[in-house]
Amino acid sequence: DADVTQTPRNRITKTGKRIMLECSQTKGHDRMYWYRQDPGLGLRLIYYSFDVKDINKGEISDGYSVSRQAQAKFSLSLESAIPNQTALYFCATSETYGNEQFFGPGTRLTVL
Amino acid sequence: GQSLEQPSEVTAVEGAIVQMNCTYQTSGFYGLSWYQQHDGGAPTFLSYNALDGLEETGRFSSFLSRSDSYGYLLLQELQMKDSASYFCAANAGNMLTFGGGTRLMVKP
Repeated sequence: DADVTQTPRNRITKTGKRIMLECSQTKGHDRMYWYRQDPGLGLRLIYYSFDVKDINKGEISDGYSVSRQAQAKFSLSLESAIPNQTALYFCATSETYGNEQFFGPGTRLTVL
Repeated sequence: GQSLEQPSEVTAVEGAIVQMNCTYQTSGFYGLSWYQQHDGGAPTFLSYNALDGLEETGRFSSFLSRSDSYGYLLLQELQMKDSASYFCAANAGNMLTFGGGTRLMVKP
């Protein structure tokens, strides 16, 4: 069973639509992260959360919002999608004092 | 802020040794991590260096020099399955900043 799951795995949407990407984890980790990856580039941090009541902006938060519904769930929303948000999105988790991040399988998002 | 530089591509032969470098400019640097990502897959953790020196895990070794703002990942006895992208990432305590990655191609 996967420890970090993401839904949907693939999504095609149109400019201006609202879309939500969901992440769930069974690892019991407090810390959760959302990254995006563009072709040929590394991962860039969008938002991160250290517990249910803690939400922090990352490097590229403009155009995105998040919700931490529970320790196990962290959702990423695009309020009004635009084509340059076409990318591969990864959710990750880590222990509070751990150095390793555990990544979900990714969501491939295409905005037309 | 943080920035990390990695060569974009490296090619090596099966059975050989390859070194992939990473230079960084950071503030609030805690340590350097390495992740492997196969095409279509998720990044997976390989190693973490908080202190200067070499850390070895099987065929993989990672090195850090804080004074030079430099690290590298060394892969020995290369196998075809090692063909992947390798990312260094600076740990600033609260979050990771990733380099652009080095794509390793292993040839027979």
